[in-house]
Amino acid sequence: DGGITQSPKYLFRKEGQNVTLSCEQNLNHDAMYWYRQDPGQGLRLIYYSQIVNDFQKGDIAEGYSVSREKKESFPLTVTSAQKNPTAFYLCASRLADNTGELFFGEGSRLTVL
Amino acid sequence: RKEVEQDPGPFNVPEGATVAFNCTYSNSASQSFFWYRQDCRKEPKLLMSVYSSGNEDGRFTAQLNRASQYISLLIRDSKLSDSATYLCVATTSGSARQLTFGSGTQLTVLP
Repeated sequence: DGGITQSPKYLFRKEGQNVTLSCEQNLNHDAMYWYRQDPGQGLRLIYYSQIVNDFQKGDIAEGYSVSREKKESFPLTVTSAQKNPTAFYLCASRLADNTGELFFGEGSRLTVL
Repeated sequence: RKEVEQDPGPFNVPEGATVAFNCTYSNSASQSFFWYRQDCRKEPKLLMSVYSSGNEDGRFTAQLNRASQYISLLIRDSKLSDSATYLCVATTSGSARQLTFGSGTQLTVLP
């Protein structure tokens, strides 16, 4: 079955540590996205990528980095520069025509201790 | 002003009630619209797309009013399992960037 897989589902990190969240999709989608969701809030765009080896900053890119070396993979690194990293992180993808629905992974819940 | 605005609720309704949510968008170039459902601590899942002529899927009806720039979701005969947060999304064709989520409307259906 096609879908998006995020890992880990839960992650605890000490302050000052970088952490990388994995996102893999087998839907053959060109566009991939990372969102952050805080309690009671909507989704805020961190980074997005439309093709391999290219990505763009979203609204809240500071303290985050991404790579897109393969079509299927779009990992997100939460760096120590991110001041409030505790949040629910969602990866999504959709077709390159940019009009279709987004498909989401199950999310990764990061807690900084 | 937010690009996509929703009443956050919470909406607490009895089982069997009809409930309606509205969502307004500010970008007149928005072309595609969706309603997503998000259960507590889960990922959003597509509930339905919103077509210009309006569309229905069982107990759910979505409508688009381009003149007033809002979309609506109507849930009839609400079930306990409808309790969730409902997110509206507006997208602009041709741009990966222009995909905007509302903050969500929380619905609780009470027995």
